[in-house]
Amino acid sequence: GAGVSQSPSNKVTEKGKDVELRCDPISGHTALYWYRQSLGQGLEFLIYFQGNSAPDKSGLPSDRFSAERTGGSVSTLTIQRTQQEDSAVYLCASSPAGGVDTQYFGPGTRLTVL
Amino acid sequence: SQELEQSPQSLIVQEGKNLTINCTSSKTLYGLYWYKQKYGEGLIFLMMLQKGGEEKSHEKITAKLDEKKQQSSLHITASQPSHAGIYLCGAANSGNTPLVFGKGTRLSVIA
Repeated sequence: GAGVSQSPSNKVTEKGKDVELRCDPISGHTALYWYRQSLGQGLEFLIYFQGNSAPDKSGLPSDRFSAERTGGSVSTLTIQRTQQEDSAVYLCASSPAGGVDTQYFGPGTRLTVL
Repeated sequence: SQELEQSPQSLIVQEGKNLTINCTSSKTLYGLYWYKQKYGEGLIFLMMLQKGGEEKSHEKITAKLDEKKQQSSLHITASQPSHAGIYLCGAANSGNTPLVFGKGTRLSVIA
């Protein structure tokens, strides 16, 4: 079946611009996660959606970052006024029911801020 | 917060050789996940371990969980070039929190 998909695969933007990254989770998965992977930093948790519960935003690095999940499916991560330090690969994952369920990852969006 | 330390950071082995990668947690493990990542791609799920002493295998890759030591090891037997990539361990320290990941082990397999 279809896995997690993300778009765009690559995004180059100028400092100060806003960007939107999209994630389509596996159909039926109630939990959706966003992570960021920077060179030499490993994977960093950003935000977690589980069903209709309020999202866990504890990993968002600043108020320039926000995310929403419409209809319990597709999610959009928005970065406002991008900075060079936002350059990274943004990975989305989904799992059947959250908790300790296995997370399945998308291919990521590579963001470059010039 | 929980931290995961992976060792070694990088590894170069000759094709056909065995190797082991370790992942040690600073806190109690509720679930330990191994993923593989190739450059420019997402993470591919390999195995999940939950119980102390649990051991799972997939093809030539075996993972074990030592709950007392809060440690997991990933062992590859008779390595192949297809095994090359970055191996990441991830862990949950409670039932409903996002995973914390190690920084990864970069494996190169040379012919």
